[in-house]
Parts: sequence; C-alpha cells; structure tokens
Amino acid sequence: DTAVSQTPKYLVTQMGNDKSIKCEQNLGHDTMYWYKQDSKKFLKIMFSYNNKELIINETVPNRFSPKSPDKAHLNLHINSLELGDSAVYFCASSKEGLAGGRGNIQYFGAGTRLSVL
Amino acid sequence: KNEVEQSPQNLTAQEGEFITINCSYSVGISALHWLQQHPGGGIVSLFMLSSGKKKHGRLIATINIQEKHSSLHITASHPRDSAVYICAVIIRGGADGLTFGKGTHLIIQP
Repeated sequence: DTAVSQTPKYLVTQMGNDKSIKCEQNLGHDTMYWYKQDSKKFLKIMFSYNNKELIINETVPNRFSPKSPDKAHLNLHINSLELGDSAVYFCASSKEGLAGGRGNIQYFGAGTRLSVL
Repeated sequence: KNEVEQSPQNLTAQEGEFITINCSYSVGISALHWLQQHPGGGIVSLFMLSSGKKKHGRLIATINIQEKHSSLHITASHPRDSAVYICAVIIRGGADGLTFGKGTHLIIQP
C-alpha cells in the first residue's frame, strides 16, 4: 500500500476554473503538508496541518485552501486558477510536527502536475 | 539570498566515483534533511540530521552545526544514483515545514 497517495497525478485545466487535489496517508501520522515545486524545480512549503489545525500558512494566495476532513486526509482546493499556479504539488506527512525540533522524517506523495492553460 | 545554498548545482561523474554534495545554511536550525528526487519526480527522504553523521548503505551524511554546513557523500556511485539531491532545513523557532535548497542534479555515467 502506498503510504502517501495523491490524486490526480496529472491535472490539466483552464484559467478561472476551481480544482481540488486529494491526499491521503495511511501511516497514522499527525501532521500533513502541501509543497509547491515551481518550473525551476524549487520546492516551497505551502501549508501544514496538525490534528486538523492549520499551523502555518506561508504567503500563499487565499485562492488556495487546505481542507482536512480527518487526520488521514489533507486536500488542496484551488479557486480561480491562474497560469502561475502551474506547478507540481506534493503532499507529505510526518509522525509529529517538525517545528518542535523532533524533526521527523517526511514521507512524500508522488506529486500532482497541474497545468493551467 | 536563499537561506539554504547547495553546491554544486550540477554534477556529472563516472560510475564508481566518490561523490560529495554540500549544503550551507544561514539560519539556526533544529534539523536538516537530505532528500532525493528521482527523474520521475518522486521524492524520498534519505536522512534527517541534527548532529554528527549518519550512514545508510553507500550514502553518508554529515553535519557541522557550528559551521552551518552539511555534506552528502555517495561511495562507489552507480548510474541508478542519478537524481536531484535536495537539502532542506527546519528553522529553529520558525514555522513548521521544510525550507529547501535548490537541489543538486547528479548524473552518474556508466
């Protein structure tokens, strides 16, 4: 079984549409993350959720909203898609949050390649 | 200037060579991660370090907290080691999540 699974793997859509990317982890982890990898392959944190509480929110447009129905899921909703949103989005999870210095290993999903036309 | 700098950006070597990838950071950290991104895009966590040295198979990671520097070494490199290696840190007292370097693109030629 895949530890962290994302769907879809590829997403092609028009500007202005609303889309969602789903993420599920079966590791029993408490914290989940969304990262964005831009066209230059640079990764940046977008959100993290710990026990259904948003604990960080970087300078990400409010068109992006994470939604966590339960501890095992952290879905990413994007409204009014723009060309600049085209990127690969990675979901990840860790047993505990990283900021406490425990620095748990992160497990990554396979990524979702979003192309906005 | 990025808080995490890696060198080299690109590295091509022959099979069997000893590989070193360097990572320097400019902030106080709780821990440092080395990640591997395969050509297909998948990301795997290799090491998490807060001090000293760790070894896993042919991979060795070291960190010097005082010098704010970490190295990833690959012994007896093999073409299947070809990937992007990414250094990432957890900033002490900062928000949760990893802060990434820009990665080192490694190609091992047979």
